[in-house]
Amino acid sequence: GIQVEQSPPDLILQEGANSTLRCNFSDSVNNLQWFHQNPWGQLINLFYIPSGTKQNGRLSATTVATERYSLLYISSSQTTDSGVYFCAVDFSGNTPLVFGKGTRLSVIA
Amino acid sequence: DTGVSQDPRHKITKRGQNVTFRCDPISEHNRLYWYRQTLGQGPEFLTYFQNEAQLEKSRLLSDRFSAERPKGSFSTLEIQRTEQGDSAMYLCASSLVGVEQFFGPGTRLTVL
Repeated sequence: GIQVEQSPPDLILQEGANSTLRCNFSDSVNNLQWFHQNPWGQLINLFYIPSGTKQNGRLSATTVATERYSLLYISSSQTTDSGVYFCAVDFSGNTPLVFGKGTRLSVIA
Repeated sequence: DTGVSQDPRHKITKRGQNVTFRCDPISEHNRLYWYRQTLGQGPEFLTYFQNEAQLEKSRLLSDRFSAERPKGSFSTLEIQRTEQGDSAMYLCASSLVGVEQFFGPGTRLTVL
């Protein structure tokens, strides 16, 4: 069946460190989104990136659709980056998002 | 327009009671989605609408759940005869067809 796998499941970083989160998916995608879920449960849109590379401040993302993976890079991490990061994919454009289980990031001062 | 809104933000109910949640999407968005998230998991799809038509329902949506979007604007999700297993965060999202989805703050349901 359709699968979205994220790694690592948990990550602890010292403030100022860099990190890479990975999302593997089992089929070609129409849409891929990265979200940050804050402690109150709100899903914050980070990137809409079915292919290619995008950057927004200290965050950047790359999706290699032909190899079925996406990477989220966080540079110079801050304590406010803590939370759960989700990758979610839409496989056809007419289907809902399928979420991975997330990566729980803890940034310590 | 400030984004997707949901009401209430929190709901505590007793087992067997009915509850109803509301979602107001971003105004120009024709698609509206409902997801459910339990502790430690990613959100899981429940159902979605394009305008007022309900296009798909997940197997998670038992016959105790019903959703409507009567005029293609706001949507309601009703759970009848709530069970403790219904305790979860209920998330609403909206989008234009086939592109980026935006989520509301969620309704956290606790069934005692």
